[in-house]
Amino acid sequence: AQKVTQAQTEISVVEKEDVTLDCVYETRDTTYYLFWYKQPPSGELVFLIRRNSFDEQNEISGRYSWNFQKSTSSFNFTITASQVVDSAVYFCALSEANYGQNFVFGPGTRLSVLP
Amino acid sequence: DTEVTQTPKHLVMGMTNKKSLKCEQHMGHRAMYWYKQKAKKPPELMFVYSYEKLSINESVPSRFSPECPNSSLLNLHLHALQPEDSALYLCASSQERAYSPLHFGNGTRLTVT
Repeated sequence: AQKVTQAQTEISVVEKEDVTLDCVYETRDTTYYLFWYKQPPSGELVFLIRRNSFDEQNEISGRYSWNFQKSTSSFNFTITASQVVDSAVYFCALSEANYGQNFVFGPGTRLSVLP
Repeated sequence: DTEVTQTPKHLVMGMTNKKSLKCEQHMGHRAMYWYKQKAKKPPELMFVYSYEKLSINESVPSRFSPECPNSSLLNLHLHALQPEDSALYLCASSQERAYSPLHFGNGTRLTVT
């Protein structure tokens, strides 16, 4: 069965600190996709990134970077030089090629960036 | 601006009322979803429509009735709800592939009194 774990329930950092959000997944499928979403207080979930199971290249986008490691079934998300606007709940999610639209979300990590 | 539009943004209804939530997308996506999200919890899948046909129903009570009039519209009809149904209801769309990310609307915050 598919499962996503985000062990950090809440994290607080001071502005300009770096922060890493952890995501560990379980799947029996050989082809799967991992996603990160941001949910600010306004409520809308915003898609940040997708990773394919066959592509372990790490990715950097501005202050955001993602580290995908199949050996440890992890897909961690790092925010460099955090800003107050980064305060949100971040969800990691998994979908499997054999189960199409059945996305599984992790429980989420609430990030608070203090000024 | 979000490309998935949900109305209304807020809804308060009594347990005997009938109301509907509406969702519209213009991204050409052929899969549309309803999710329910309680406070401090992740979204929970309720229904999936694929090419306007109901493809997933996650054992949702019959007091929630989805409808997909066309590929751009998705409704959720509500009747005889309970206070525990109060939640944020999120609509999403995607390209109907496992690799296609979900694009969410802003949600409808529902309160059942």
